[in-house]
Amino acid sequence: QQPVQSPQAVILREGEDAVINCSSSKALYSVHWYRQKHGEAPVFLMILLKGGEQKGHDKISASFNEKKQQSSLYLTASQLSYSGTYFCGTVRNSGNTPLVFGKGTRLSVIA
Amino acid sequence: DGGITQSPKYLFRKEGQNVTLSCEQNLNHDAMYWYRQDPGQGLRLIYYSQIVNDFQKGDIAEGYSVSREKKESFPLTVTSAQKNPTAFYLCASSIPTNQPQHFGDGTRLSIL
Repeated sequence: QQPVQSPQAVILREGEDAVINCSSSKALYSVHWYRQKHGEAPVFLMILLKGGEQKGHDKISASFNEKKQQSSLYLTASQLSYSGTYFCGTVRNSGNTPLVFGKGTRLSVIA
Repeated sequence: DGGITQSPKYLFRKEGQNVTLSCEQNLNHDAMYWYRQDPGQGLRLIYYSQIVNDFQKGDIAEGYSVSREKKESFPLTVTSAQKNPTAFYLCASSIPTNQPQHFGDGTRLSIL
C-alpha cells in the first residue's frame, strides 16, 4: 500500500514556505523522509515514530499524526538548495517490515 | 569513508541477456535493499535482505533474482524474464529494517 503524497509538484521563490503531505490508509509504525536531487541518490532527512512527535532539522521539520495516519514535512524560508524530489516512506505494523515509498513531490525553488 | 558502492554506473542489456548489478557496503549494516526507480513512480522495492543467506521478495520481484552470501554484498540479477528493465536501480542498506537507509549512487540500465 503505497502512501499518497501531495502535492505532486510545487514551485517556490526563495524565502517562501511549503508543506508536503504523506497519507496512508493503513496504521503506521513510523514515517521516513528523504530528499533526492536530480541524478543523485536519495538522502535521509528524518524519521518520525508513532506517538505524534514532531522533529526539526535546520529549517525543515516534520510532524506525524498517528490518528490520521498522516505526516507533513514543513520547509521554512526555502533556499535554492532545497530543490529536489521529496519522498516519504512508511513502515507498518511493529516496524519489522520494509519501507514503502510514496511517488514523491518535486520541489523547485527559484530565485 | 564508509558507504555503498554500486557498479557499473551505466549498463546496457541485449535481448535475452541476464545482467548483474553490483552492490557493496562497508557500513556493517545487516539489512540491504534493491529499489527500482521509474519517472513519476517513486522507489519500488524489488528484494530485501535482513541477514546473510536470507532475502525476501518486495513488490516487484518478478524477473529479478538476488543472493546474499556475504554481509557486505547484495548483487541483483536482471533476468531475460524482465521484459521492461530500463530504469534507475538503487541499492540501500540500514542497521535493522526500520532505521535510516543509506543509498548508493545507482545504476542506470538500458536496453540495446
